[in-house]
Amino acid sequence: AQSVAQPEDQVNVAEGNPLTVKCTYSVSGNPYLFWYVQYPNRGLQFLLKYITGDNLVKGSYGFEAEFNKSQTSFHLKKPSALVSDSALYFCAFSGTYKYIFGTGTRLKVLA
Amino acid sequence: NAGVTQTPKFRILKIGQSMTLQCAQDMNHNYMYWYRQDPGMGLKLIYYSVGAGITDKGEVPNGYNVSRSTTEDFPLRLELAAPSQTSVYFCASSSSGDTYEQYFGPGTRLTVT
Repeated sequence: AQSVAQPEDQVNVAEGNPLTVKCTYSVSGNPYLFWYVQYPNRGLQFLLKYITGDNLVKGSYGFEAEFNKSQTSFHLKKPSALVSDSALYFCAFSGTYKYIFGTGTRLKVLA
Repeated sequence: NAGVTQTPKFRILKIGQSMTLQCAQDMNHNYMYWYRQDPGMGLKLIYYSVGAGITDKGEVPNGYNVSRSTTEDFPLRLELAAPSQTSVYFCASSSSGDTYEQYFGPGTRLTVT
């Protein structure tokens, strides 16, 4: 079965430090991969996507993600975390008109 | 552009009652989706539509129905509400298929008691 996994329920990082939120996938064929962020009591907002081409994808708010085919990973990164980055982050893959979401990782950036 | 709008924001239902969650988008998107989000879980797809008049089941369709008579609107109907349907419901839309991002509404928090 096709799936995405987010192995960490929560990630804590100090403000100004680099952050990584992990995602691995199990998808047959070409994976279309996405990252979304959810702030409290809000809907999900699109951050970035990998469809094809460059393995390093840049997105909104200074986030980027690296597609690694050999490790079947699509980790979300940011060089310098802000307190305002604290939120719930979802990895997803898209196939046959539908998304499969990971269970989410709560990011806490500590001042 | 209002984007994707959902009404109501909150609702409490008694077991066995029915209701319709409204969703509308003004981006002329063909694809629309309904998800539910339970605490500590990711989003689960309930139903989706690839255009007016065309709907299909997602992962968790039982207890729900949808219709898509216009491009703009995609209501979700709950018949005979059960406590297991207590959740936050999100509607989303996208312009096309797999390679396009989805735009989400603000959600409806539903409690069934």
